[in-house]
Amino acid sequence: NAGVMQNPRHLVRRRGQEARLRCSPMKGHSHVYWYRQLPEEGLKFMVYLQKENIIDESGMPKERFSAEFPKEGPSILRIQQVVRGDSAAYFCASSPLRDSYGYTFGSGTRLTVV
Amino acid sequence: QQQVKQSPQSLIVQKGGISIINCAYENTAFDYFPWYQQFPGKGPALLIAIRPDVSEKKEGRFTISFNKSAKQFSLHIMDSQPGDSATYFCAASKNGNQFYFGTGTSLTVIP
Repeated sequence: NAGVMQNPRHLVRRRGQEARLRCSPMKGHSHVYWYRQLPEEGLKFMVYLQKENIIDESGMPKERFSAEFPKEGPSILRIQQVVRGDSAAYFCASSPLRDSYGYTFGSGTRLTVV
Repeated sequence: QQQVKQSPQSLIVQKGGISIINCAYENTAFDYFPWYQQFPGKGPALLIAIRPDVSEKKEGRFTISFNKSAKQFSLHIMDSQPGDSATYFCAASKNGNQFYFGTGTSLTVIP
């Protein structure tokens, strides 16, 4: 049973480009969460999604960031017109149920904006 | 505003010693307090967790102590080993969907 799969592992983008981060949850998990980890900081919640629904996006920056979890395929975190401050590790987690308290994290995507 | 405050930022312990990491929270609505272990280049992995209705939980060499009145909880690693060298994060949640993480403690266990 593969864990939470994130790709790419490393992503380099120039300022102004778009970054697309993908997350495939564990088999049987229909709830996905995205977190951002800035250097020397803890993880900060960004968004919680179920299939085809955004449940809680209270941690998402108002501009340039969006997330989706389509009926088929992985969850996508999209960052448009990236800036240097977007450089961070982005982690996805999944759980089988809502309010399950049981997260499994992926290994993350390290985004570097040059 | 940091919902969960963690200390120390870094910790060096001799092999066989006890590692202690502390966290404090403000929101009394939190009802789940996990600790995560993260190795370089990896995602956080759940180590041990506690609910506020108990004061202590032990799993192997890892123990969480919970003080509800002080709104503090701590991780104790007994008989620390070099393989325990990692970054440890405390966290808190009130609904199991969104977690608030501390800023992390980098633990180094020296042989």
